[in-house]
Amino acid sequence: SQQGEEDPQALSIQEGENATMNCSYKTSINNLQWYRQNSGRGLVHLILIRSNEREKHSGRLRVTLDTSKKSSSLLITASRAADTASYFCATDHSSYKLIFGSGTRLLVRP
Amino acid sequence: EAQVTQNPRYLITVTGKKLTVTCSQNMNHEYMSWYRQDPGLGLRQIYYSMNVEVTDKGDVPEGYKVSRKEKRNFPLILESPSPNQTSLYFCASSLSGTQVGQFFGPGTRLTVL
Repeated sequence: SQQGEEDPQALSIQEGENATMNCSYKTSINNLQWYRQNSGRGLVHLILIRSNEREKHSGRLRVTLDTSKKSSSLLITASRAADTASYFCATDHSSYKLIFGSGTRLLVRP
Repeated sequence: EAQVTQNPRYLITVTGKKLTVTCSQNMNHEYMSWYRQDPGLGLRQIYYSMNVEVTDKGDVPEGYKVSRKEKRNFPLILESPSPNQTSLYFCASSLSGTQVGQFFGPGTRLTVL
């Protein structure tokens, strides 16, 4: 399976702390995307990083990509209770199919 | 407001009773796709469509059909639902395939008894 693996599966932090979640994949990619899902709701696209990029920022989000290790990380700085959600990475291998990881559940305690 | 809508949002049905879940987007997107989400398995792609009249199988197409007769609509059809199709279903769309971020619908929670 090409499915990405994310770790940790669950993460609990205090408000104000940083949260880091990781994604690994098995075959070469065109791009890697991160999504957020609030409980039982639709996914929201957060950020996309292309295979020739190494780092990307969007507000409090920082994504890195290491194609030699086939891995990516998502850092959320200065977390807030509203960041509590599940986070998924998705890899694009073909321009028409996304492969999603199983997600990281983040709990930010007030 | 730019959005992807799905109907119904919740559905409880019985084995073998044909059903259709509708998906519509108002962003003139060429690409649309369907996913199912099951606990511990993330999202798995069922079918996708690159444009009108162009559809192809994803990773888990068995038991499902789709059609793309108009750009804005991409219905998911379960001809003979079975309990293993109980799941949370998401429709998504984008301007150009998976080279860009996807817009997701709110989801349809389907229970097949």
